[in-house]
Amino acid sequence: GQNIDQPTEMTATEGAIVQINCTYQTSGFNGLFWYQQHAGEAPTFLSYNVLDGLEEKGRFSSFLSRSKGYSYLLLKELQMKDSASYLCAPMDSNYQLIWGAGTKLIIKP
Amino acid sequence: DAMVIQNPRYQVTQFGKPVTLSCSQTLNHNVMYWYQQKSSQAPKLLFHYYDKDFNNEADTPDNFQSRRPNTSFCFLDIRSPGLGDAAMYLCATSHADLSSSPLHFGNGTRLTVT
Repeated sequence: GQNIDQPTEMTATEGAIVQINCTYQTSGFNGLFWYQQHAGEAPTFLSYNVLDGLEEKGRFSSFLSRSKGYSYLLLKELQMKDSASYLCAPMDSNYQLIWGAGTKLIIKP
Repeated sequence: DAMVIQNPRYQVTQFGKPVTLSCSQTLNHNVMYWYQQKSSQAPKLLFHYYDKDFNNEADTPDNFQSRRPNTSFCFLDIRSPGLGDAAMYLCATSHADLSSSPLHFGNGTRLTVT
C-alpha cells in the first residue's frame, strides 16, 4: 500500500532551525511536493524534488533520497508566521499525489 | 492575477438538504480536483477532471457528485449531506502535462451541517 509518515507535531523557537522529516512508500515515484497550510486555509506550494539532493529556496530547503524513500523540509531563521502544518506529498506512478496528514509546527517566541 | 476561486467561503446547510459548492479558475489548467479535508487529516481526493474526462475515486461516496461544464468551472454537489460531511472542501488545479506542476488551491469552502 501507499503510506506517508511525518511527525504529528513539532515545536521550535523563533530564529532557530527546524527539520521536518517525511518517509514514504508509493507505487512508483514522480517527485515529491511540500506544502504549507495555515489553520483554516488552503495548502500553498513550497517545493518540489524529483532528483536526489537538496533544493534551496530562501529560508526553506527540501531534500530527497529516492532510494531511502525519505525527504525533509528544513526551515531556517524561523518566524512566528511559519507556525502552520507542513504536508509531504509524493506523486505516484499515476501522477496522483499521496498526502500525509502533515506536521503541525508550533513556533515559540 | 490568475487564480482559483471558491464560493462560498463558508456554507451552512441542514442535514439532508442538497448543497452545491463552486470553483472557478483563470489559470487555464486542464486538470481540476476536489478534495475533502477534515481537521488534522490529509486532504482526501474525491474527484478529478482531466479536461472533460471525469475520474471518480473508488471510495468517494455516491452522495457526492461533480460537474465541469467548461474549462474554467467545476461544481461539487452533495445530494444529502450528513453530519460526517462537515469539512473543508478544496478545489485545486494543475497543468497535467508537467509532472512538476504543483496544485494551485482555492481558499476552500468550509461546510457546516446542522
